[in-house]
Amino acid sequence: TQLLEQSPQFLSIQEGENLTVYCNSSSVFSSLQWYRQEPGEGPVLLVTVVTGGEVKKLKRLTFQFGDARKDSSLHITAAQPGDTGLYLCAGGDNYGQNFVFGPGTRLSVLP
Amino acid sequence: EPEVTQTPSHQVTQMGQEVILRCVPISNHLYFYWYRQILGQKVEFLVSFYNNEISEKSEIFDDQFSVERPDGSNFTLKIRSTKLEDSAMYFCASSLGQNNQPQHFGDGTRLSIL
Repeated sequence: TQLLEQSPQFLSIQEGENLTVYCNSSSVFSSLQWYRQEPGEGPVLLVTVVTGGEVKKLKRLTFQFGDARKDSSLHITAAQPGDTGLYLCAGGDNYGQNFVFGPGTRLSVLP
Repeated sequence: EPEVTQTPSHQVTQMGQEVILRCVPISNHLYFYWYRQILGQKVEFLVSFYNNEISEKSEIFDDQFSVERPDGSNFTLKIRSTKLEDSAMYFCASSLGQNNQPQHFGDGTRLSIL
C-alpha cells in the first residue's frame, strides 16, 4: 500500500517569512499533486509534478519533485495571510487514477 | 472556469436509511471519482469510474456503496443502510484522462448520520 507522509503537521508563521513543507513516501509515484483545502471546501489543485527532479513555480510557490519520485516539497516565499490553509499532497499510481492523499500540513500565516 | 458541482452541500440522515450524493463533473472529463474525508482525517479514495464502469475501488468501497452515471451529466454515489461511521465529507472529482491528468474536486457533501 502506498503511503504519503507530510511534515510538519502544523506550521504557524508571521507574514513575510519563508517556509517549506514536505511530502515523503517510501514508494515511487508516477506523479504528485499539491492541493490547498479551505475549511468546508474541496481540495483545489495547485500543481502536478511528473518528472523526477522537476521544479515548478506558481508565483511565490515553488514545487519540487524528488529525483527518485518518492518525495516532493513546497516552498513559499514571503508568506501572506491568504496562504493560510491545509496543503495536501497526493500521489498517483502508474495509471494516475488511484490517488493517495497525505494527511496535510495546516499552515497559518499571521499578519 | 468549469468546475465540479455537488449536491446537496449537507445531508442529514437517520442511521439505516439510504442516501444518494450527486455530482456533476466537468463536462468534457471522462474519469470520475469519489473520495471521503472523515472529520480531522485525511482524504481517502473510494472509487474511480470510466466508460460506465468501476475501474478501481478501495477496500472502503464495499457492498454498501454503489456508483452510477444515470445520464450524460450526473455521477452519483449511493450508500445503502447508512451507519454512524459513514458520517464524513464526500468529495467528487473528475479528470480529463488518466496517466497523471489532474483531478478537479467539488466542494463536497457533508453527510451526517444520526
